[in-house]
Amino acid sequence: GAVVSQHPSWVICKSGTSVKIECRSLDFQATTMFWYRQFPKQSLMLMATSNEGSKATYEQGVEKDKFLINHASLTLSTLTVTSAHPEDSSFYICSARAGGPGTDTQYFGPGTRLTVL
Amino acid sequence: KQEVTQIPAALSVPEGENLVLNCSFTDSAIYNLQWFRQDPGKGLTSLLLIQSSQREQTSGRLNASLDKSSGRSTLYIAASQPGDSATYLCAVSRQGGKLIFGQGTELSVKP
Repeated sequence: GAVVSQHPSWVICKSGTSVKIECRSLDFQATTMFWYRQFPKQSLMLMATSNEGSKATYEQGVEKDKFLINHASLTLSTLTVTSAHPEDSSFYICSARAGGPGTDTQYFGPGTRLTVL
Repeated sequence: KQEVTQIPAALSVPEGENLVLNCSFTDSAIYNLQWFRQDPGKGLTSLLLIQSSQREQTSGRLNASLDKSSGRSTLYIAASQPGDSATYLCAVSRQGGKLIFGQGTELSVKP
């Protein structure tokens, strides 16, 4: 089956630093990747939609200058949390979809736990 | 704006019981509805996907139904096992593949 990996699985950083999270589709080409964040005991909230070779589309209320998304290839998307602060501490999950908008299945990565001190 | 609600937020049952998890959504114009499982600190595992034109889907001990007109879906788990303990999330899909998630039901199946 389709596999999506994330790296790192967890990261602890100091306030003010930037953190990059990678999302890779290991055995398929992902034309679209999605980034979600999840606070403890809460559901997943969509942050942005990333299409290969184009700028990401951010959901309302998500700061695009703070959460930089790059989807440079069909197997890799990155999320960079710039100037991280403690309130950015969360569980970040990506998903990848092969094919166009008519394709239903999204494959989820295992998530990255970010803790900002 | 689409809102997805899951009831109950938490459920504890003894092993062997059949149980039902509920999901409701406010906008019936959905593309599909999916049920996921999430173990603590882990990503999501897709359980069942129901297209908007379908009424139900089955996989093993799991059965999911969809009533789009009333904005409801249920996930039925038969003969529950301790290994079924996890958080169950439902999500509706809109145009472009974006998923709107409910808050989840935390299930605990006790031996």
